[in-house]
Amino acid sequence: NAGVTQTPKFQVLKTGQSMTLQCAQDMNHEYMSWYRQDPGMGLRLIHYSVGAGITDQGEVPNGYNVSRSTTEDFPLRLLSAAPSQTSVYFCASREGPGRIFYGYTFGSGTRLTVV
Amino acid sequence: AQKITQTQPGMFVQEKEAVTLDCTYDTSDQSYGLFWYKQPSSGEMIFLIYQGSYDEQNATEGRYSLNFQKARKSANLVISASQLGDSAMYFCAMREGGSNYGQNFVFGPGTRLSVLP
Repeated sequence: NAGVTQTPKFQVLKTGQSMTLQCAQDMNHEYMSWYRQDPGMGLRLIHYSVGAGITDQGEVPNGYNVSRSTTEDFPLRLLSAAPSQTSVYFCASREGPGRIFYGYTFGSGTRLTVV
Repeated sequence: AQKITQTQPGMFVQEKEAVTLDCTYDTSDQSYGLFWYKQPSSGEMIFLIYQGSYDEQNATEGRYSLNFQKARKSANLVISASQLGDSAMYFCAMREGGSNYGQNFVFGPGTRLSVLP
């Protein structure tokens, strides 16, 4: 089925550990983004990419790295996990650029707990 | 400054009644899009409805309609004939036409809707 696939769905990390959240889409979308969702704050943009090889920071980029070597994949790396990174993470993709009326297709989310 | 405001953290509605979820936004762009997403307890984000800033008519999608008042910068979601399955968190979001954050979405804090039998 076409869409955005995120793995894993759940993850528990110890403070200081590193990990990569995987995201893949098969819709040939140019734009991909990572959001984190925290109670009472909606979703906030971490990093985004407007095409392979092009990434940029969003609203809350600290503690996260991304890369985009292919159109399909957009992994999010936590280099040294902190309890403040406990959150639900969503990957999303859409066609672009410029089609203002196109919304995002979201992955099913990754629930990350840092202890 | 908050770009998307949803002033109702939680709401209750009786089954089969209509309910309005409020959303106000702030932008200086002329071209922008407004979206509503539903997030049930299972956690996925489900697209409900879209309104473009140049659209003259309010958007409708089945039981969902968007009450767009451009001068007031409001984009309220109206759900008619509420069903138990409508119980969820609802997010209002905006995409601006400028280059800020690559035209990504800005989300409101959400409104949790509970439909009572």
